[in-house]
Amino acid sequence: DQQVKQNSPSLSVQEGRISILNCDYTNSMFDYFLWYKKYPAEGPTFLISISSIKDKNEDGRFTVFLNKSAKHLSLHIVPSQPGDSAVYFCATRRDSSYKLIFGSGTRLLVRP
Amino acid sequence: EPEVTQTPSHQVTQMGQEVILRCVPISNHLYFYWYRQILGQKVEFLVSFYNNEISEKSEIFDDQFSVERPDGSNFTLKIRSTKLEDSAMYFCASSAANEKLFFGSGTQLSVL
Repeated sequence: DQQVKQNSPSLSVQEGRISILNCDYTNSMFDYFLWYKKYPAEGPTFLISISSIKDKNEDGRFTVFLNKSAKHLSLHIVPSQPGDSAVYFCATRRDSSYKLIFGSGTRLLVRP
Repeated sequence: EPEVTQTPSHQVTQMGQEVILRCVPISNHLYFYWYRQILGQKVEFLVSFYNNEISEKSEIFDDQFSVERPDGSNFTLKIRSTKLEDSAMYFCASSAANEKLFFGSGTQLSVL
């Protein structure tokens, strides 16, 4: 299933700098987007979401940007902290659906 | 903070045996889900459950799978006759309004 792609399997960032995680999708019918982070041996933890009627949503250090014309989603973490080191998944669904479609994840390492 | 709890954390079974994976969703949530992640693959949707019935299921969720909410707190996934390819981490999730999903820590199912 290639409807949601996270093309960078890993990202390494210095503590205090910005982390930018990217996600591309193929279906213009997707209208709700989420970011989850996952630590080993734990389930995905909800971070932030955005509806397709918006192009930006902010929550503390986390900001999600949505570019509908490019079918592109990004998560910005500023400033990055070592505790942010985890695997980050983007996910999306259509309005009429209960099913979330996940990307393959990006492993973020924040170096002290 | 309320959380989704799953038991057991690990389950080992022989091929052809029945397994039941158990979940206690967050108490005021109305939507319940099962997802799974096969090692090295994406998190994938299995089934959603709302108002005491399946609201959506994937092509993976065939006749070998069933879900039940036997009382007001538990939500179970049963696999009737396990196959080797059912080996995966199974995640239960719940949500208040089919928006942000809260996931449990998962049950690692190993079919031998």
